[in-house]
Amino acid sequence: AQSVTQLGSHVSVSEGALVLLRCNYSSSVPPYLFWYVQYPNQGLQLLLKYTSAATLVKGINGFEAEFKKSETSFHLTKPSAHMSDAAEYFCAVSDRSGGSNYKLTFGKGTLLTVNP
Amino acid sequence: DAGITQSPRHKVTETGTPVTLRCHQTENHRYMYWYRQDPGHGLRLIHYSYGVKDTDKGEVSDGYSVSRSKTEDFLLTLESATSSQTSVYFCAAIAETSTDTQYFGPGTRLTVL
Repeated sequence: AQSVTQLGSHVSVSEGALVLLRCNYSSSVPPYLFWYVQYPNQGLQLLLKYTSAATLVKGINGFEAEFKKSETSFHLTKPSAHMSDAAEYFCAVSDRSGGSNYKLTFGKGTLLTVNP
Repeated sequence: DAGITQSPRHKVTETGTPVTLRCHQTENHRYMYWYRQDPGHGLRLIHYSYGVKDTDKGEVSDGYSVSRSKTEDFLLTLESATSSQTSVYFCAAIAETSTDTQYFGPGTRLTVL
């Protein structure tokens, strides 16, 4: 069975500071991993995904994530936070076992606050 | 964007009444999913569909049923709504089976009084 742990339900950074949102996963098969962003009162938008190609994945809005198999991690980073990055971020892992029907398991989310 | 719409976008109902939420997609996606989002729980899978008339349960299916009589529509029914089913409901579809990528609808906010 797959699982995702997001460390820190709430992260607060200053504008211009580094953003680091942590995600650790558990999977019985080589995983596909995703980060989604949710702005207030909106649906989930795909930020980036790892699908077994390059381990460093670049996404939209300047975000990137690095897949580290040895650490079972897929942390999300952005060098310089912007006020518009304030949102909730979700990490997810795909069940790639046979007959899984592409189900995703989500972490509980990390709310990012950006202070001026 | 996978061409997914949800209706209604907001609904207030009373305990014990049946409620049906609709997910509509215009791009012939085979796989569709219903999630609920609650504070502190992230998104949890309720039911999913892998084709017309083919559905299965997710992790929090009690009190919910689904139907998919045609490719474009995936309906979620609360047979007898309870206050614990107050939540935001999201529909999703797989647009790229090679990457397992799900795309989400805008959500339905349901309040059960």
